[in-house]
Amino acid sequence: GAVVSQHPSWVICKSGTSVKIECRSLDFQATTMFWYRQFPKQSLMLMATSNEGSKATYEQGVEKDKFLINHASLTLSTLTVTSAHPEDSSFYICSATPSGRGNEQFFGPGTRLTVL
Amino acid sequence: GESVGLHLPTLSVQEGDNSIINCAYSNSASDYFIWYKQESGKGPQFIIDIRSNMDKRQGQRVTVLLNKTVKHLSLQIAATQPGDSAVYFCAENTRDDYKLSFGAGTTVTVRA
Repeated sequence: GAVVSQHPSWVICKSGTSVKIECRSLDFQATTMFWYRQFPKQSLMLMATSNEGSKATYEQGVEKDKFLINHASLTLSTLTVTSAHPEDSSFYICSATPSGRGNEQFFGPGTRLTVL
Repeated sequence: GESVGLHLPTLSVQEGDNSIINCAYSNSASDYFIWYKQESGKGPQFIIDIRSNMDKRQGQRVTVLLNKTVKHLSLQIAATQPGDSAVYFCAENTRDDYKLSFGAGTTVTVRA
């Protein structure tokens, strides 16, 4: 149980284009989902907290207009990287918290984004 | 093998030996701690967790120790196996804020 999927697993795009990454909780409902970014050989850095039915809360230094987050249902959150640039190339990971189990986070397999 | 000091980025251990991975945290309000294993190109995988009202918790081949006095957390892996090679992260949060704060990570390499 508590499986989180991400799609796509990897994507290559041209500079200036937008890319959407999906995060799904497959066997549970998630009121809260989190989006992280991880650069090579570094730790996970929280980008934003996504709550179903409300606006995402972004961490300091993360541009909300560049990283659009939508959490329209209890099993799906999307992250759209708008006008992507090479410096946005990274490993994007989501996690989901089962409703009522505030401390626990289950992580997706990650999405490798490469911007040319 | 045993890591000496804190925040060492790498740990090399002989197969079959025990591994100890250390982590320091700074937030005295943190009350929930988790160890994750991350293999190359994959998302973090839960290993074991511990709450601040405990100082030790054991799982299958793993033990987590929490010393709140010095804000130190450790993960012990017994009889380390090649499949244990990965990056290990500690993470923490508080009861009032479920956002996880991750440590820098330790790369564990198991020698055959």
